[in-house]
Amino acid sequence: DAGITQSPRHKVTETGTPVTLRCHQTENHRYMYWYRQDPGHGLRLIHYSYGVKDTDKGEVSDGYSVSRSKTEDFLLTLESATSSQTSVYFCAIGGGREQYFGPGTRLTVT
Amino acid sequence: QQQVKQSPQSLIVQKGGISIINCAYENTAFDYFPWYQQFPGKGPALLIAIRPDVSEKKEGRFTISFNKSAKQFSLHIMDSQPGDSATYFCAASRTSGSARQLTFGSGTQLTVLP
Repeated sequence: DAGITQSPRHKVTETGTPVTLRCHQTENHRYMYWYRQDPGHGLRLIHYSYGVKDTDKGEVSDGYSVSRSKTEDFLLTLESATSSQTSVYFCAIGGGREQYFGPGTRLTVT
Repeated sequence: QQQVKQSPQSLIVQKGGISIINCAYENTAFDYFPWYQQFPGKGPALLIAIRPDVSEKKEGRFTISFNKSAKQFSLHIMDSQPGDSATYFCAASRTSGSARQLTFGSGTQLTVLP
């Protein structure tokens, strides 16, 4: 998985609780991305980062925030989880036209 | 608005057969077209990719055909094997905002029967 780890790998949480997912890379890539994967939708971009402290919104950013204080770490936070945020979340890194994905985090919001 | 449309949703082929997955895009700003392969419980892995100035790219048993005028591209898997059983995603890449961004198709679940 191209030097990318995600934690936790599985999480069950209750509606209304905050949740933070972590992506860690060892490849020193400038660009990092968060996607969610849902049946019938492929992967959809939530947020991305183009450098330390530099982030921008993707296609489905509502309800999510991100932070990047170090090159190697990119955090995704659900401030108040909802059932519609039950999904598999993937982190990706990339320096050019291609992106490389982590192993994913399966999040269930009950 | 789905900018990359992928079909079929699922595909079953016999071992040794040819698997064909089709994608169509709308935005002419896309300038790179990768395909990803995903096994259950794993992240998508880059399989093969093509630039729009090339009509075909082949890597082993995997071939991308690209039709720029029709805004369509397809993945052909020759001599399909049970180990090819996975979900395949087409994608289209462009620069948007401050980074390269990928737009994915909805995926095709391929099953190769032994």
